[in-house]
Amino acid sequence: GAVVSQHPSWVICKSGTSVKIECRSLDFQATTMFWYRQFPKQSLMLMATSNEGSKATYEQGVEKDKFLINHASLTLSTLTVTSAHPEDSSFYICSAYSGTGVGNTEAFFGQGTRLTVV
Amino acid sequence: DAKTTQPTSMDCAEGRAANLPCNHSTISGNEYVYWYRQIHSQGPQYIIHGLKNNETNEMASLIITEDRKSSTLILPHATLRDTAVYYCIVRVAPGSNYQLIWGAGTKLIIKP
Repeated sequence: GAVVSQHPSWVICKSGTSVKIECRSLDFQATTMFWYRQFPKQSLMLMATSNEGSKATYEQGVEKDKFLINHASLTLSTLTVTSAHPEDSSFYICSAYSGTGVGNTEAFFGQGTRLTVV
Repeated sequence: DAKTTQPTSMDCAEGRAANLPCNHSTISGNEYVYWYRQIHSQGPQYIIHGLKNNETNEMASLIITEDRKSSTLILPHATLRDTAVYYCIVRVAPGSNYQLIWGAGTKLIIKP
């Protein structure tokens, strides 16, 4: 299957700082990427959907000014958690979908990023 | 809201077949049944999907009832590495830009 690489795998940051998480599709062009957040022992919650070259669509309750998403190319999307607070500590997961070719039948997921804000 | 219902947890002995049920009684005619799994602290992994026919791949088999209101994922020879949370999801046809709605899944524990 297709490969989606997410970086970093884990990060610890101080409260008030910003953290950037990268999601790359390595062997296909991702026209659409999804960002999820998962709290301990809970299921994945969709945060936003981003289409290459356009603004992301955020789910209700997700602050777009706090979770900045950039999808400037067909192989890279970034999620920046701005002014992070301890309650932002979570497991962040991206998935990439191409709509054609390799990614046509299902979305492929990154390995996730464990964010801890201290 | 998720449109599927799964048992919260299940146990299975190593080497035996693991059968994971899923109810999707409100499934529409153009919706597929997808199965993913998530091993602890990793991203989800695609397993298999189907519309109405039974499907098999190198990982698992998917049995869909004739009325399509339920399905069963079968891991034929479970290993300890199959311990994970298994998610059953219904979504519109492959190729469409449609986000996945995740339920709670079934926590499958494979015991030695």
